[in-house]
Amino acid sequence: SQTIHQWPATLVQPVGSPLSLECTVEGTSNPNLYWYRQAAGRGLQLLFYSVGIGQISSEVPQNLSASRPQDRQFILSSKKLLLSDSGFYLCAWSGTGWNYGYTFGSGTRLTVV
Amino acid sequence: KNEVEQSPQNLTAQEGEFITINCSYSVGISALHWLQQHPGGGIVSLFMLSSGKKKHGRLIATINIQEKHSSLHITASHPRDSAVYICAVVQGAQKLVFGQGTRLTINP
Repeated sequence: SQTIHQWPATLVQPVGSPLSLECTVEGTSNPNLYWYRQAAGRGLQLLFYSVGIGQISSEVPQNLSASRPQDRQFILSSKKLLLSDSGFYLCAWSGTGWNYGYTFGSGTRLTVV
Repeated sequence: KNEVEQSPQNLTAQEGEFITINCSYSVGISALHWLQQHPGGGIVSLFMLSSGKKKHGRLIATINIQEKHSSLHITASHPRDSAVYICAVVQGAQKLVFGQGTRLTINP
């Protein structure tokens, strides 16, 4: 069965520090991978998606970047965190084709102080 | 105006009541998802719809493609149903566009 792992669950980082959040998927190959963010009191917003290794599409200009070094690994990074980067970050995967469902990771709550 | 609008934003009901949450969208879609987000933040996919109606236990989801509207119903609601329910539509390369969510509280 397919599973998705996301870590860490919570993170408190100072302004200006780097960030690395990792997401891995098991039990499937060539998944579409996504990073979403939910700011306090707001809905989920797509940050990045990837349809294959090294293929990253950015939806919103921001202080973050994403990489997909392996088929089932998706990494969200920042060189220098801003206060506005605080939020709840979710990784998700889906199969190819519009009729595949989504599976979400458990999320990372990031607080930048 | 958001591409995906949910109503109501907040809903409080008594245990046992029939619950309806509505979702309207203004863009072309290939499918629509109903998601459940619990206080810890984790999200669970409840339904994916492209037409008609689906039922799972006490949950029922319907979609009317022509009217660009979907509803999520909960029968015999229970306090454990308390959560945020999110409507999301699939656009393009399976990118999800989310509604703002409906916060449901079921009191015993």
